[in-house]
Formats: sequence, C-alpha cells, structure tokens
Amino acid sequence: GDSVTQMEGPVTLSEEAFLTINCTYTATGYPSLFWYVQYPGEGLQLLLKATKADDKGSNKGFEATYRKETTSFHLEKGSVQVSDSAVYFCALPPGAGSYQLTFGKGTKLSVIP
Amino acid sequence: GAGVSQSPSNKVTEKGKDVELRCDPISGHTALYWYRQSLGQGLEFLIYFQGNSAPDKSGLPSDRFSAERTGGSVSTLTIQRTQQEDSAVYLCASSLTTGAGYTFGSGTRLTVV
Repeated sequence: GDSVTQMEGPVTLSEEAFLTINCTYTATGYPSLFWYVQYPGEGLQLLLKATKADDKGSNKGFEATYRKETTSFHLEKGSVQVSDSAVYFCALPPGAGSYQLTFGKGTKLSVIP
Repeated sequence: GAGVSQSPSNKVTEKGKDVELRCDPISGHTALYWYRQSLGQGLEFLIYFQGNSAPDKSGLPSDRFSAERTGGSVSTLTIQRTQQEDSAVYLCASSLTTGAGYTFGSGTRLTVV
C-alpha cells in the first residue's frame, strides 16, 4: 500500500538557517503530494502541494519539488524564522480504492532566536 | 461555517467514563474524516464518511470507538469506557469530495486520568 517516510525530528535550527525536511513515498502511479503544517495548539493546514512530476509547490518561503525518479518531495526553506516552529507532515492523497490520506510521522521543527 | 469546528477543544475525563467529541465540517463538504494524533506518533486514520454512503470504519482501534454523522453534516465520535491509552488529540477534517483539498479542525485534546 501507499506509504510516506519522513525525516524524524526533532529539528532545532537557529533563525535564518537553511531547512530541509526529507520525504520519500511509495505509491502506485504519480499521485499529488502534500506538505501540511501544524502550529502549536492548532489543526493541520495545507502548506503546499504538487500535482505532477517536476512540479514545485511553494508557499510562505517554503518549497518542495516533486521528483518521480527518487520518489521524493523534500521540504526546503532558505531562511527559517521563529514563527516557522511547528510540526510538518508529508502526505499522499487517497489511492485507488482508498479514502485515507497517508501521512508521514511528522517532523517537529523548533527555531531559536 | 468558514472552517471545521471541533468541540470541546480540551477534555479531561476519568478512566472508564464515556466521551463524545463533535465535529462541524465546512458547509457543503461531503467527505469527513477523523484522525487520532498520539504523543510522539503520526496521524492515525479512524473513520471516513462520504455523503450518505456507509462509513469506512476500518481505522477504529476497538469496539469502544464509534462515530456517526447526522444529516450528512455534524459528526460525533464516541469513546466508551475510556482508557489512558485513548489520550490523544482527535482531529477532524472535511473535503468537498474525496481526493480534494482537506481542511482540518483544531482538534480535541483528550486526557484520560
């Protein structure tokens, strides 16, 4: 079945550091790919998505490129801020015959001033 | 409403008591999901509703868990005879259709003491 493997945290960075959170997936075909973010005390919000191979999703300074050759969708940001401290989840939409989003285990990011 | 609303936001209950968690999805969204997020764990799928179809209950961890969705709108997740391992954040999400964008509520943090 579909699965998502995500870099485990926690990750602690200084403000303005470069961020990479790795995500690889196993799925049939070429599904859309998502990154969700969960700020402290809140629900999940869609951060960005890519719907086909070589697409780059971007939002709030974050980027992720859909690489079908490596089945990866790594999240990057050039200069993190304290306000980026959150838990980040890589996710697949429901596959054929399924109704579930498939999530990675989440990566907790803490950015210190 | 404008977003997915969950209540209560926090619930502390004694072991053995029953609890009800409520989810009010975005108006018009036919798909509704419940997920559980335990400390240090990823997101665990619990149940899925799509319109008037029979729900997919394959993720419910035991027969102490049940859920219903009345009139294709509000959903209630019930946990009977709560156990300490039920302590988690219970997240609800809705989408216009299966596979479309998902909007999550802020969750209910359940603590069983």
